[in-house]
Amino acid sequence: VQLVESGGALVQPGGSLRLSCSASGFAFNSFSMHWVRHLPGKGLEYVSAVSPDGLNTFYADSVKGRFSISRDNSEETVSLQMSSLTPEDTAVYYCVVVGFYYEDAFDVWGRGTMVTV
Amino acid sequence: YELTQPPSMSVSPGQTATITCSGDAIPKRYASWYQHKPGQAPVVLLYKDTERASGIPARFSGSSSGTTATLTISGVQADDEGDYYCHSADNDATSVVFGGGTKLTVL
Repeated sequence: VQLVESGGALVQPGGSLRLSCSASGFAFNSFSMHWVRHLPGKGLEYVSAVSPDGLNTFYADSVKGRFSISRDNSEETVSLQMSSLTPEDTAVYYCVVVGFYYEDAFDVWGRGTMVTV
Repeated sequence: YELTQPPSMSVSPGQTATITCSGDAIPKRYASWYQHKPGQAPVVLLYKDTERASGIPARFSGSSSGTTATLTISGVQADDEGDYYCHSADNDATSVVFGGGTKLTVL
């Protein structure tokens, strides 16, 4: 079971960025996929989620209207399109599976990708 | 919805660290706990309040009472130093949150 994030970069305020997460080793289309970020000097923040079929999404209030999550089950990837970025979005972004091993737990994490605004 | 944790804690090796996580929906919702070290991805320690994840030593234990979930680390070791986060949901399970995190320092 593996998740590999990519796409993190240094971007100017107001800019856009697209993060991707490539999954392998499990039945990708059976699990909702999530993004969690670690804000430097602060803590973990739940960012967004997409249902297994891609039809239902969730966003934290802090990113609603600016971020968009999507998935491609044929490619086993999940993406996070980020726009109108601010310095407050600077963080390590993790792609996460919930409930793979343990009920309702964030139990499979990627290594993260750094976004600096 | 918010989960409240103490921001920091210091213990000597061999002592017991008790980290609390308070939230109004804790009586209705399970909590899980994570350890996060610099440069690494978070690791799940406990789920469903008290269940240990595979490979997690028995000195990590959890409990829940009233509006507070608790992570207890018995016989703290130097390698336990890091940030600890609780996670749970609100009463309607519409809001998923992490606590603010507790930085554990081993003296």
